[in-house]
Amino acid sequence: GQNIDQPTEMTATEGAIVQINCTYQTSGFNGLFWYQQHAGEAPTFLSYNVLDGLEEKGRFSSFLSRSKGYSYLLLKELQMKDSASYLCAALDSNYQLIWGAGTKLIIKP
Amino acid sequence: GAVVSQHPSWVICKSGTSVKIECRSLDFQATTMFWYRQFPKQSLMLMATSNEGSKATYEQGVEKDKFLINHASLTLSTLTVTSAHPEDSSFYICSASSRAAGELFFGEGSRLTVL
Repeated sequence: GQNIDQPTEMTATEGAIVQINCTYQTSGFNGLFWYQQHAGEAPTFLSYNVLDGLEEKGRFSSFLSRSKGYSYLLLKELQMKDSASYLCAALDSNYQLIWGAGTKLIIKP
Repeated sequence: GAVVSQHPSWVICKSGTSVKIECRSLDFQATTMFWYRQFPKQSLMLMATSNEGSKATYEQGVEKDKFLINHASLTLSTLTVTSAHPEDSSFYICSASSRAAGELFFGEGSRLTVL
């Protein structure tokens, strides 16, 4: 079956770095997305990886290893506003998105 | 970036009535639109996938006759919750994609409360 795994909750300190991991098993693969979702709001797009390696966008970076079925989202210089849920989703061969349950990130001063 | 507009943002209705939620892609042609519902503190649950001009594909456990989805054009999809009941109260979110765009864009979400 198809499956996405990511930690349920993580805690980090303001100004620090945190890495949120995601492993996936899908029927075919057409890329992996990371979304940020604040409570009561719709998800907002963070990154899309389809090739192996690290892609950096400001304070956020996303990494993909297709051979390992693994991705991570790296957040640097954490700010209080980064407290949110982070959703990992893989696009399968039918262009259907398979969603993880999300990782709730708690930032402490 | 691409914009997907969802309307209404909030809706409160009486039990037994029907509610329509619209999802529009404002600056691109959405070949595929997705509808999700999300309960508090839970992840998105895909309800159905709709391709323009064809019938929606519903996920297992989602009632087709209760959640009517229409994708009549490349820029508009609608979700109608028929004979709504309090257990249908949820956050409904649409998303749209095009192969050319290579990304998936979300609407702002619609919070439905059924009294």
